[in-house]
Amino acid sequence: TQLLEQSPQFLSIQEGENLTVYCNSSSVFSSLQWYRQEPGEGPVLLVTVVTGGEVKKLKRLTFQFGDARKDSSLHITAAQPGDTGLYLCAGGGYSTLTFGKGTMLLVSP
Amino acid sequence: KAGVTQTPRYLIKTRGQQVTLSCSPISGHRSVSWYQQTPGQGLQFLFEYFSETQRNKGNFPGRFSGRQFSNSRSEMNVSTLELGDSALYLCASSLASAFGDIQYFGAGTRLSVL
Repeated sequence: TQLLEQSPQFLSIQEGENLTVYCNSSSVFSSLQWYRQEPGEGPVLLVTVVTGGEVKKLKRLTFQFGDARKDSSLHITAAQPGDTGLYLCAGGGYSTLTFGKGTMLLVSP
Repeated sequence: KAGVTQTPRYLIKTRGQQVTLSCSPISGHRSVSWYQQTPGQGLQFLFEYFSETQRNKGNFPGRFSGRQFSNSRSEMNVSTLELGDSALYLCASSLASAFGDIQYFGAGTRLSVL
């Protein structure tokens, strides 16, 4: 069974701070996706990374896929209250995705 | 392009009852997956349907079942509800890529079992 572990589980920071969240596995994934979920809503896809060592940027968010395609990180620069939410990583497969339990981020003004 | 639509958004049921949840995927998506999300367990895979056939199944009891229609719409049924079935049920429709499925989620159905 493929497992994805996310850390930290909770993160509470002030507006303007930088942060990094991690997603680790002992398994190799063909791709890895990051989602953000707001309370009472479904997860919204942020990015898909597919190549080992790949770095993708989405405004203030930087996503990196590990060289061995077993881990990934999400770095947020100058966090804003609108970044608040549950960040989920999911390992790509065919027909099913394996999800981590998520990192709950709270950004206070 | 319309997103994934789940109905109803909220449901309150009592133990022992049954419930049916509905999911309309993004137009053109033929795969629909269902997940249960709880604070303690996170997102857990229930099952996946492709072209009206169940292609994958998670580790849930037989009280959880589903089906998919020829227009790709899907329904999920839970019989003999238990208190522990209270959760957010999420549906996702998938677009296949060379690197695995890319899933797009609906807003979910919040089920409360009293």
